[in-house]
Amino acid sequence: NAGVMQNPRHLVRRRGQEARLRCSPMKGHSHVYWYRQLPEEGLKFMVYLQKENIIDESGMPKERFSAEFPKEGPSILRIQQVVRGDSAAYFCASSPSRDGEQFFGPGTRLTVL
Amino acid sequence: GEDVEQSLFLSVREGDSSVINCTYTDSSSTYLYWYKQEPGAGLQLLTYIFSNMDMKQDQRLTVLLNKKDKHLSLRIADTQTGDSAIYFCAETPGTDKLIFGTGTRLQVFP
Repeated sequence: NAGVMQNPRHLVRRRGQEARLRCSPMKGHSHVYWYRQLPEEGLKFMVYLQKENIIDESGMPKERFSAEFPKEGPSILRIQQVVRGDSAAYFCASSPSRDGEQFFGPGTRLTVL
Repeated sequence: GEDVEQSLFLSVREGDSSVINCTYTDSSSTYLYWYKQEPGAGLQLLTYIFSNMDMKQDQRLTVLLNKKDKHLSLRIADTQTGDSAIYFCAETPGTDKLIFGTGTRLQVFP
């Protein structure tokens, strides 16, 4: 049973471009969480999704950020018109149930030039 | 607020015990967690404690919980160089998301 997979592992974008981060949860997991880790900081919750539904997006910036978890395929975190302050490590976690253990992926490290 | 606090650095000699402390914010948290993050890697769940317990031991790891003071600690016995990493405590204050502490960087020297 493969763990949580994220790709790409490293992503470089210029200011104004779009970043698309992908997360494939563990087999059988329908709950996905996205967290952001700024340099030298802890992880901050962004959004919680369950297949096709956004359950809690209280940690998402109001503009430029969106997330989806379609019926088929990975969860996508999309950042439009990236700025330097978006440079961070973005981690995805999946869980088999709403209050189950969250298993983390290796992260995508986004660098905005 | 939702600030879970940890000291930033801890340096110990190989073979000694390490104690990493955490002060959390919400007494309604059902579970409290300790995660380990190695350089360039994701988070690995080390252990967790249910809120109605005050101690949990798992091999070299001992978790102590003081609910009155909202204080959580992780003791690593016989610390090894492979234990060098950043350690995060996390709480779940009545919601599904994890609220992480600021992280403690543990450095083990020979």
